[in-house]
Amino acid sequence: DSGVTQTPKHLITATGQRVTLRCSPRSGDLSVYWYQQSLDQGLQFLIQYYNGEERAKGNILERFSAQQFPDLHSELNLSSLELGDSALYFCASSGGQRVNIQYFGAGTRLSVL
Amino acid sequence: DQQVKQNSPSLSVQEGRISILNCDYTNSMFDYFLWYKKYPAEGPTFLISISSIKDKNEDGRFTVFLNKSAKHLSLHIVPSQPGDSAVYFCAASDWPGTYKYIFGTGTRLKVLA
Repeated sequence: DSGVTQTPKHLITATGQRVTLRCSPRSGDLSVYWYQQSLDQGLQFLIQYYNGEERAKGNILERFSAQQFPDLHSELNLSSLELGDSALYFCASSGGQRVNIQYFGAGTRLSVL
Repeated sequence: DQQVKQNSPSLSVQEGRISILNCDYTNSMFDYFLWYKKYPAEGPTFLISISSIKDKNEDGRFTVFLNKSAKHLSLHIVPSQPGDSAVYFCAASDWPGTYKYIFGTGTRLKVLA
């Protein structure tokens, strides 16, 4: 158990809809990262937050947004969903003594029909 | 533009033998490299890392080698065990420049009993 919790595990929705994925980082970790893994692809970095502020951004679509709350949990919002957004979405956190190691949650599998 | 490449999608090895997984990168600014292991329905789990100031790092049965001039790293697992069967991802970052990882597409290792 990595200590990173992601909910829900599975999400099925229709094109054009909006969904919210939630992540609770390991206790004490200030950084949260979001990654997308499409079929047979590596994990693609989307965005990072550190203690509530955006720290780094990857190839995140404008239809996607994220935030980190004062209790350090994070949410990834995906809107105007398209079939191609179907993927596994992973959250990771880092902090403490090994600040350069990211610990991953089990992911949310999003299916857009 | 795939900055981190794992050219072997799959690898089969006999139990007890050595498994060698390879990874190539193109960005000379990368200075920290990691290997993650992923089982089905779980998030990636950190395995071992190496900074660019070293050329080898060992942790039990796992050793990572870095050849900076060739922009190549490899993960050796000796001896391989059936429980090692998983997908292995190589990742790179220009720590502490940015905080994101760039992942390869993974190699599926199957260790045969």
